[in-house]
Amino acid sequence: KNEVEQSPQNLTAQEGEFITINCSYSVGISALHWLQQHPGGGIVSLFMLSSGKKKHGRLIATINIQEKHSSLHITASHPRDSAVYICAVSTQYGNKLVFGAGTILRVKS
Amino acid sequence: NAGVMQNPRHLVRRRGQEARLRCSPMKGHSHVYWYRQLPEEGLKFMVYLQKENIIDESGMPKERFSAEFPKEGPSILRIQQVVRGDSAAYFCASSRQGKNTEAFFGQGTRLTVV
Repeated sequence: KNEVEQSPQNLTAQEGEFITINCSYSVGISALHWLQQHPGGGIVSLFMLSSGKKKHGRLIATINIQEKHSSLHITASHPRDSAVYICAVSTQYGNKLVFGAGTILRVKS
Repeated sequence: NAGVMQNPRHLVRRRGQEARLRCSPMKGHSHVYWYRQLPEEGLKFMVYLQKENIIDESGMPKERFSAEFPKEGPSILRIQQVVRGDSAAYFCASSRQGKNTEAFFGQGTRLTVV
C-alpha cells in the first residue's frame, strides 16, 4: 500500500462545477503539500499545510490530522484548471517529499 | 526574484553517454532536492543536498548516478552511461530551510535516451 493515496485518479468536470480531490496518508507527517502540474510543464506549489484550512482564490485546502486526510477543492472550475494535482507529504523523519500518484483533472467548457 | 532554474529543459543522449542536469536554487535557498518522474509514474525522491553536503541519498540508484551541490554554482545531477530506463523528467526543488518550509520546483529536465 502506498503511503499517500489520492482519489479519484481521473476526474472530468463541466466548467463551473465544484471539484474535490482527496488525499489519505498512512505515515506521520510534518506537513502536507498540494501541487499542480500542467502537461509537459513544471510543478507549482499550491498549498503547504499542517492543520486546518487554507484558501487562495478559488482553491481551498483542508486537512484533518486525526483522520490523516486532506482535500483540495476548486470552486467555479474553469478549463484552465485542467492539470494534474498531486498530494505530497513531508514525513516526521526527513525533509523529502513522498508523493501520491496524482489526479488528472479535465474541465470541459 | 528568479525561481528555481533548471537546464537544459530537454536533453537527448545516446545509450552509454553521460547526462548532466543543472539546478540553480532560488536566491537565499540552501536546500536542494532532486526528484524523478518516470513515464506514467508518480514523482519519487532521489537525493537531498545542502551546500557541499549530501544529506539523504536514499532514493538514488546505487550505480551511475551522483549528485553534488558545490559552494559556488548550481547543483548537478550526473548520470553516467545512460540507459533507456533513465528516460524521465527530473525535477529539482529548493527551500530556504529544511523541515516544514515550502519547496519551490523548477520546470524540470526531460531526458530522453535513444
